[in-house]
Amino acid sequence: AQSVAQPEDQVNVAEGNPLTVKCTYSVSGNPYLFWYVQYPNRGLQFLLKYITGDNLVKGSYGFEAEFNKSQTSFHLKKPSALVSDSALYFCAVRAGNNRKLIWGLGTSLAVNP
Amino acid sequence: EAQVTQNPRYLITVTGKKLTVTCSQNMNHEYMSWYRQDPGLGLRQIYYSMNVEVTDKGDVPEGYKVSRKEKRNFPLILESPSPNQTSLYFCASSPWGGGAVVTEAFFGQGTRLTVV
Repeated sequence: AQSVAQPEDQVNVAEGNPLTVKCTYSVSGNPYLFWYVQYPNRGLQFLLKYITGDNLVKGSYGFEAEFNKSQTSFHLKKPSALVSDSALYFCAVRAGNNRKLIWGLGTSLAVNP
Repeated sequence: EAQVTQNPRYLITVTGKKLTVTCSQNMNHEYMSWYRQDPGLGLRQIYYSMNVEVTDKGDVPEGYKVSRKEKRNFPLILESPSPNQTSLYFCASSPWGGGAVVTEAFFGQGTRLTVV
């Protein structure tokens, strides 16, 4: 069965410190990986995606993510966290020609001033 | 501006009173879907539609109906709402044709439904 795991329900970091939000996946076929962010009382916004090519992908708001095929991971990173980055982050995957998105349960990021 | 529009944003209703949540997209996307978001359960797909008049059940379809009479609209219908349908609902759209697997989905702002 295809699945996505976000092993941390919550991540706390201090403003200015680097942040990592973890995501691992299990799929059959080539994975297509996505990160979305949900700010309070807002819908989900697309951050970045990995399709093929360079394992390090850059996205919106200074975020980047590293695809690691051997570890089946796609961790979200940012070199210097901002208080405004505090939000709920979702990892999702599609595999092969399957258009259905498989979602992780989300990770709540809190950036403390 | 490309967008998915849901209405209403907030709704409080009573058990058994039929309601409809509307969803409209202006990107000419074939694929549309409805999700509900609950604490600790993440996003769960309720129904999806691959094109006009083509719909199918997602992971949690019980108690919901949908229709797709026009490409841009995909309303969610609760014919007899119950308190366990209290949730945050999202509509999403994306392309369906070739290359669609690598295209991100676009989400509406959400509808917070409370059934008392």
